[in-house]
Amino acid sequence: QLQLQESGSGLVKPSQTLSLTCAVSAGSFSSGDYSWSWIRQPPGKGLEWIGYIYHSGGTYYNPSLKSRVTISVDRSKNQFSLKLTSVTAADTAVYYCARAGYTPFDYWGQGTLVTVSS
Amino acid sequence: EIVMTQSPATLSVSPGERATLSCRASQSVSSNLAWYQQKPGQAPRLLIYGASTRATGIPARFSGSGSGTEFTLTISSLQSEDFAVYYCQQYNNWPPGAFGQGTKVEIK
Repeated sequence: QLQLQESGSGLVKPSQTLSLTCAVSAGSFSSGDYSWSWIRQPPGKGLEWIGYIYHSGGTYYNPSLKSRVTISVDRSKNQFSLKLTSVTAADTAVYYCARAGYTPFDYWGQGTLVTVSS
Repeated sequence: EIVMTQSPATLSVSPGERATLSCRASQSVSSNLAWYQQKPGQAPRLLIYGASTRATGIPARFSGSGSGTEFTLTISSLQSEDFAVYYCQQYNNWPPGAFGQGTKVEIK
């Protein structure tokens, strides 16, 4: 059973950079058939896709966040990471990592709450 | 950009009854439509993809239909564990894959 686990800072100050990592249990991470996404959900609100990366390193970002987002991959550790710069209170959310491939998001991490506050 | 609109925002249903949730796309997404279930404090769970194919392990009481711009998720006989928020998502024009705003199914 594939498992994804988010980790990172739960509290970030305004204007600073949010950094999260998603560890993927062994298996499909090295397959080029899957993309690995970050998705967020502000408290009490809906889901917003942030961007994805392939194992090869190819990325695509939501145009609404593109100027502030970087997603990278560490193949040696079976993990991928999210950096979101210049955060504001509007970036407070639960951040999920998820896999997509032959089907849309079929595996998700449990999510991690990131609060932007001074 | 494709916009997904779900209705109603909240659906009040008694256990054992049928629930019908709607999702409309602002332009055709063919059959590239997924449904997710989210319970409080949990990550979303994929229920349906390809508009009508149940994901692995999803009970048969969940069914999806539609194509183009109009889609429906039906829960034939609501169980206590089905009370949750349901999201649709298009992945025809992906990325980005737009999600709907969600329908909350609550106990009547």
